[in-house]
Amino acid sequence: EVQLAESGGGLVQPGGSLRLSCAASGFIVNDYGMNWVRQTPGKGLEWLSYISGRSGTTYYADSVKGRFSVSMDNAKNSLSLEMNSLRDEDTAVYYCARTLKVSVAADSWGQGTLVTVSS
Amino acid sequence: DIQMTQSPSSLSASVGDRVTITCRTSQTIKTYLSWYQQSPGKAPTLLIYFASNLQSGVPARFSGSGSGTDFTLTIASLQPEDFATYYCQQNYSPPYTFGQGTKLEIK
Repeated sequence: EVQLAESGGGLVQPGGSLRLSCAASGFIVNDYGMNWVRQTPGKGLEWLSYISGRSGTTYYADSVKGRFSVSMDNAKNSLSLEMNSLRDEDTAVYYCARTLKVSVAADSWGQGTLVTVSS
Repeated sequence: DIQMTQSPSSLSASVGDRVTITCRTSQTIKTYLSWYQQSPGKAPTLLIYFASNLQSGVPARFSGSGSGTDFTLTIASLQPEDFATYYCQQNYSPPYTFGQGTKLEIK
């Protein structure tokens, strides 16, 4: 069974940093593309980043480009999102999601982890 | 960047109704569009990919159509578990933007 489990969320001050992890089971992350998507409480979904497991190619939304960095750890079969220079507007639930092999549409999602940026 | 316009933003319907949600993109994305369902407090689930391909395990009352810039998600006969929020997403080029969402409520 495919499962994804995010961790690392919490309260951080503006300007601070946080690292989110996404542990995968039931599949090998290196064989797939992976997305990070966030959702502000009560609002819609915002796509943040994509990494190809095969090529390592990465893409980012303009709102996080230069501040966030996505990576894969093949030994741990996991995904990470390094978040720097955090702002109040980064407060959200962060989801990792696996893509289909034929599309970047996400067929499996974690339960999400809440990041709160506040002083 | 490709802009997404999803409509309506909310919709009231009854069990058994047929409903349609539309998604329009600011430039052609061929058929690189997916649809998701999200229930309160839950992660989204994939319904449709490549505009009209039903994801495994999704009931056949869900269907998608369209190409280019105009797409639709249709639910043939609403069931109680279908009352949720629906999102479209373009999968053509990064950033892979989502639509604003359509909240489907019970009338």
